[in-house]
Formats: sequence, C-alpha cells, structure tokens
Amino acid sequence: AQSVTQLGSHVSVSEGALVLLRCNYSSSVPPYLFWYVQYPNQGLQLLLKYTSAATLVKGINGFEAEFKKSETSFHLTKPSAHMSDAAEYFCAVSGNQGAQKLVFGQGTRLTINP
Amino acid sequence: EAGVVQSPRYKIIEKKQPVAFWCNPISGHNTLYWYLQNLGQGPELLIRYENEEAVDDSQLPKDRFSAERLKGVDSTLKIQPAELGDSAVYLCASSLMEGQEFFGPGTRLTVL
Repeated sequence: AQSVTQLGSHVSVSEGALVLLRCNYSSSVPPYLFWYVQYPNQGLQLLLKYTSAATLVKGINGFEAEFKKSETSFHLTKPSAHMSDAAEYFCAVSGNQGAQKLVFGQGTRLTINP
Repeated sequence: EAGVVQSPRYKIIEKKQPVAFWCNPISGHNTLYWYLQNLGQGPELLIRYENEEAVDDSQLPKDRFSAERLKGVDSTLKIQPAELGDSAVYLCASSLMEGQEFFGPGTRLTVL
C-alpha cells in the first residue's frame, strides 16, 4: 500500500522568497515520486519525478526536489518565488514495477504575495 | 502535439439524471485513466485501461458508474443516476505503457 501526506494545505510566501512544499510518503515497495502543478481550471502538469536515479531531481520552472529515503520525504523547493508560481501542487507516489497507479496527496495551495 | 481532450468542460445536472463524459487521449497512448478530484483533494483513480481492457477498476462505484473504451482510443465515463455527492472534477489522463501520465483539463460536474 502507498500513501502521501502533504504537510500544509496552504502555503503563502512573498515574491522572491524560498518556496518549500513538504511531502512525506509511505510505500511497501521502492517508490517513484512525482510533483504535479495544477493551475485553475486546468489539468495537472508534471513538474518533476524521481525514478531511483539521482536523489536530487530538477524540474521545470526552477523547481527541484530531493528524495530522502531515511526521512521518507520528497519536499519541493524553489529558491525564488514568482507570481506565476501561484497554483495547487500535488505530490504523488507509485510503485516502480511496470505500470503502477499514482496515489496523490491532498494538495498544497501556494499563494505568492507581492 | 495535441493534448488530452475532454468534453464537456462543465456540466450541471439535477440529481437522478444521467451524465456522460468523453475523453480523447494523446494519439498513440495505449493507457487511459479516469480520475475523480473532489474539491480541495488530490485526484483518485477510478479506472485504468490498457488499450480496450480495463485493468484496474477497483475504485469505480459499479452500481452507478460505468466506463468504456471500445476501440482502445477514446473513452466515455457515465454516471446513472447522478447523486449530489458526485459533484467533482473528472480528469482523464493518458500515457504510453509505463510512461508519464498526461492529464486533460477535466470536466467539472455540478449535481443540483
């Protein structure tokens, strides 16, 4: 069984400040981990994914995430927030064997203050 | 490259009425997914198809929900009859086998 917990349903940061969105996972098998972004009235877009290669994963729009097995975490960061980063962010986990379904967290709404 | 297409984008119906959603995946993608996204929640898988075969429908409420992908391309998800609690966004996604999932914009259903 797999699950994801996103700490904080709402995060607010100032423009130019560090963005940190927290994700902890539970998985009985080696996981693949994902971060998706969802803008209003749009589908989910993949930001980045961890598939057991490098533990520090770089994605689009300046985001990156680090897989920490000892902490069962996959937190998303961006050094400097931009107004266009305001959106809903979802962490997801799947197994690493064949076609495995994604299990999503409940999401974190990121607000950027000018 | 065209993305995943869903229609309608919005649907308002009264409870006990039937409703259907349509999804056209990215060309060549053999795997198709239907997800349910409640307000303020992450998506939850309803059903996954490999070509025309439903390989995971364990989360599909089969008393009122049905889905089909007859030719292994586009797909339809139906609810009959709809209940108030079915108000949500229904997302379709597609992928190549074991590949990245690409999501459509979703259909927002409101049941009155």
